[in-house]
Amino acid sequence: DTEVTQTPKHLVMGMTNKKSLKCEQHMGHRAMYWYKQKAKKPPELMFVYSYEKLSINESVPSRFSPECPNSSLLNLHLHALQPEDSALYLCASSQEGRPGETQYFGPGTRLLVL
Amino acid sequence: GQQLNQSPQSMFIQEGEDVSMNCTSSSIFNTWLWYKQDPGEGPVLLIALYKAGELTSNGRLTAQFGITRKDSFLNISASIPSDVGIYFCAGRLTQGGSEKLVFGKGTKLTVNP
Repeated sequence: DTEVTQTPKHLVMGMTNKKSLKCEQHMGHRAMYWYKQKAKKPPELMFVYSYEKLSINESVPSRFSPECPNSSLLNLHLHALQPEDSALYLCASSQEGRPGETQYFGPGTRLLVL
Repeated sequence: GQQLNQSPQSMFIQEGEDVSMNCTSSSIFNTWLWYKQDPGEGPVLLIALYKAGELTSNGRLTAQFGITRKDSFLNISASIPSDVGIYFCAGRLTQGGSEKLVFGKGTKLTVNP
């Protein structure tokens, strides 16, 4: 089973809303990632969690707040977003976040900020 | 920053033809990954390469990790309509004590039946 699931599949929110994206994997992976992908562009790394601790934050604005409640779950809390934040948000996981590991991606949440 | 140059940017081919795409970089990578992404979906891993010179096949797909560790290619043989999508190469490198996955800009493949 190499499945990473993400909910919701689509999300529309206003600039004053607070919402959360959820990601789950049951592969026993200990590293989880959030990526942002704009149309016709490759994914861009936002955050990396390794053993439930934030290990990489790629200078992401504070209106994006990640949370890793346990090794299977990864959330991305959204608050006061801008229209330019509209994108496909991808979650991925890998075994431990060590060199040479393969990342498995979820289907993504397509976010539209109005 | 590190960049992956992926080419071609797009390809239009007839069903049954073979396809080749590649990625090059000025940086040395310790892993090369090839993903396929359909519209509105997340990338799906096709092939992972871990050693310089490694040649790996997955059905009609073949990929190689370049000897210099700065390049990789993906071949698709006897293409079919469901091969349509965007193919991304991605390389892992160690930078400042942390691992990063760097993506190419993608190759958009169109297969005409």
